[in-house]
Amino acid sequence: GENVEQHPSTLSVQEGDSAVIKCTYSDSASNYFPWYKQELGKRPQLIIDIRSNVGEKKDQRIAVTLNKTAKHFSLHITETQPEDSAVYFCAASYNQGGKLIFGQGTELSVKP
Amino acid sequence: DAGVIQSPRHEVTEMGQEVTLRCKPISGHNSLFWYRQTMMRGLELLIYFNNNVPIDDSGMPEDRFSAKMPNASFSTLKIQPSEPRDSAVYFCASSLGTLRERLETQYFGPGTRLLVL
Repeated sequence: GENVEQHPSTLSVQEGDSAVIKCTYSDSASNYFPWYKQELGKRPQLIIDIRSNVGEKKDQRIAVTLNKTAKHFSLHITETQPEDSAVYFCAASYNQGGKLIFGQGTELSVKP
Repeated sequence: DAGVIQSPRHEVTEMGQEVTLRCKPISGHNSLFWYRQTMMRGLELLIYFNNNVPIDDSGMPEDRFSAKMPNASFSTLKIQPSEPRDSAVYFCASSLGTLRERLETQYFGPGTRLLVL
């Protein structure tokens, strides 16, 4: 069945440090992997995504890596800032139905 | 451009009452998704539509839940009768498409915070 595991569930870092969040997926046919950021009381918002034809994608301080063989992908945030504090969700496409399966979320806290 | 619009933003009701949540997708998007978010279960897909047709409703908890999309610019999620365990934030999202080969970015609405007493 479709499943996305996300770790860690909580992550606390000092401002300026890097943060890494990891996800594994079960559907070998998955080919689209977005990451969403959700601030308290707000909607999830896409911050970066990657498709299966590339192994890495970067956008300023945010990068995502994908290992299709191992079926895992990771979010890397460098030079973290207090405004990066939020819950981050990974997701993987489930191609049988053309839908996204979300991980359980990681609560990131960046301490000034 | 207006994003995904949901109403109401907050709903408080009593157990047994009917609840109707509404969603207007982004103009031009042809796929619409209903999600439920709780602390215990995270973000769950309830149902999604493509070109107004329900494609996958395997996430709908039980017969008390129903969803419709009468046209490209409007969808409803109805709970009848509501129960306290239905309390959650319900998000609607839309995207340009859900073609098997190319899933498009989903844009979320602000959500409806539902409390069933």
